Formats: sequence, C-alpha cells, structure tokens
Amino acid sequence: KAGVTQTPRYLIKTRGQQVTLSCSPISGHRSVSWYQQTPGQGLQFLFEYFSETQRNKGNFPGRFSGRQFSNSRSEMNVSTLELGDSALYLCASSSGTGAVGETQYFGPGTRLLVL
Amino acid sequence: SQQGEEDPQALSIQEGENATMNCSYKTSINNLQWYRQNSGRGLVHLILIRSNEREKHSGRLRVTLDTSKKSSSLLITASRAADTASYFCATSAGGTSYGKLTFGQGTILTVHP
Repeated sequence: KAGVTQTPRYLIKTRGQQVTLSCSPISGHRSVSWYQQTPGQGLQFLFEYFSETQRNKGNFPGRFSGRQFSNSRSEMNVSTLELGDSALYLCASSSGTGAVGETQYFGPGTRLLVL
Repeated sequence: SQQGEEDPQALSIQEGENATMNCSYKTSINNLQWYRQNSGRGLVHLILIRSNEREKHSGRLRVTLDTSKKSSSLLITASRAADTASYFCATSAGGTSYGKLTFGQGTILTVHP
C-alpha cells in the first residue's frame, strides 16, 4: 500500500495570506490527524477527522481549520498567516476502526515558511 | 504543551553499542508509542505498548512501561549508523481522545560509525 502523502512539500507565504495543505491517507484508513512541529513547541496536535467529522481538536486558534472528504482525504487551512505559523505540518492516518490510541502512520510533512 | 519529558535530550554513541532513552508522562494513558524521525521528515512508527503491558520487543528494540512511575524506556541494541535520528515517545489517553498523540520533546541519537 502507498503511504500517507502530503502536498505540497514546501511552501513559502507572506504574513496575512492563507494556505491550504492536503493529505491523502493510506488506502482504507478513515482517521486523519494533523500536527504542527516547531523547534520551540515540539509536536502539537491540531485536530482529527474521522468519516468527515472532526472528533477532536487541539489548542490552536480558529485560524486553523480542516476538513475531510468522503474519500478520507483531508485538508487543513490556516488563514491570516503569522510568522509563528512557520513549521512542519504533519498528517497521520490510522486504520479507522474508530478506537482511541491506534497506531498512526505519518506523511513526510509540509514545511511552511511565513515571511 | 508536551505531555512529558524525554531523557537524555541528546545521546552520542559508537556503532555496536546499546542506546537507552527514557520518557516520562503526566497523566493516565491508554498506550504509549515510540516514533523515529530523520532530519525533520515524517515520523516512523517503531512500537506500541499498551497500558497493561510491561515489556515489548521488536527486532533490536525493547520497550518497557511502568505505569506506576509513569515512565517508559526504549532500548536499541547493537546500534547502527542508520539509527541516527530523533526518537519520540507519544502517549494516547483514554476516553474521547480520538486521534490525539501527545509527544515528548524527543531524544536526538547520533551513532558514530
């Protein structure tokens, strides 16, 4: 099976712009989680989607949003970008039995630089 | 905020030596997982240990879990240069904590040939 894919891999934006990142999970996986990784804060959970529903959300401002489509592909959007949003954004999929604590399989990440 | 701490923050060893990394966490967990990350790329899942397990092995990896001390350790035996990476523990809480892993700060392992 193909792994989790994320597009684009690299992105440069300026403050105030918005950005949309895409994640395609492993075939058959229905749960997609998103994480932000920065040198200062480490890996932090953004949100999780399962069967097009957001089931869980981390402590991020409303500028961070996401959605999931019927084919389980997911997108996350960041509006009104700030310098502090520069980070590696990782998505992960799991088999989607719906249970808590499943193994997550990560994509290669999208590196976002905000200037 | 991070769930816990990893110790040491950095570890430098020679090929063939064993590497031990420790992880502590703060709240009750459903399971604990270890991941590896090479040079700021995606994370690779290594092993999962459930809260009712005490020890688990996978190839050259050995993980222990002590829920009374809220700690875990990862042992990599006979290290190779290819094991050079950052290693993270990640906990999953019970209840409705769907899809959320809480990561430690990680241990940077360098294995010298």
